[in-house]
Amino acid sequence: QSALTQPASVSGSPGQSITISCTGTSSDIGYYNFVSWYQQHPGKAPKLMIYDVTDRPSGVSPRFSGSKSGNTASLTISGLQAEDEADYYCSSYTNSNTVVFGGGTKVTVL
Amino acid sequence: QVQLQESGPGQVKPSGTLSLTCAVSGGSISTGSWWSWVRQPPGKGLEWIGEIYHSGSTHYNPSLKSRVTISVDKSKIQFSLTLTSVTAADTAVYYCARWIPARPAFDYWGQGILVTVSS
Repeated sequence: QSALTQPASVSGSPGQSITISCTGTSSDIGYYNFVSWYQQHPGKAPKLMIYDVTDRPSGVSPRFSGSKSGNTASLTISGLQAEDEADYYCSSYTNSNTVVFGGGTKVTVL
Repeated sequence: QVQLQESGPGQVKPSGTLSLTCAVSGGSISTGSWWSWVRQPPGKGLEWIGEIYHSGSTHYNPSLKSRVTISVDKSKIQFSLTLTSVTAADTAVYYCARWIPARPAFDYWGQGILVTVSS
């Protein structure tokens, strides 16, 4: 199985909105609505930010939102804050009962 | 609140076997969740290794399947990872995590354990 495709880096100024794309195939992102997003700060374990494409776990800021079109999912961070600077990973369940991650995107707050 | 804690050797010799255990606390291992292993080589991205259900059913990453075994010990409320014939490419932080079908995602993660393959 191939990793999902994410941009290596995305940056924005405080208060701006940024969007991270995640492209897969008809066997993963395009097959199920089982896309999730994780935030990872240096030296820390990943933290679940979005599941089922658009849903937020309790405690996650509404500034984080997800969407999907065809084989591509997206994570949008609105009102960018310094604390949002981290690595972000998308993930999808596949029709082979496996899980695949994206390569990760480093978000920089300018 | 569910907590996961990895344990095991921090160094393994090339061609040897990597063995890690994940202790689950704050909840039952038989709740209908899948229990997973994910790894992250230094400076690189996340890679899913595989998962196990409390019944013993497993799914593995096809690229690692020939070398990986995941098992569960319900009496000890823990699950384990065994990876054989390791090379330097297996050096990584290894995380255990819970996959919950109700919201298909990893909702709880261990802190991670660095395993270095070196002689």
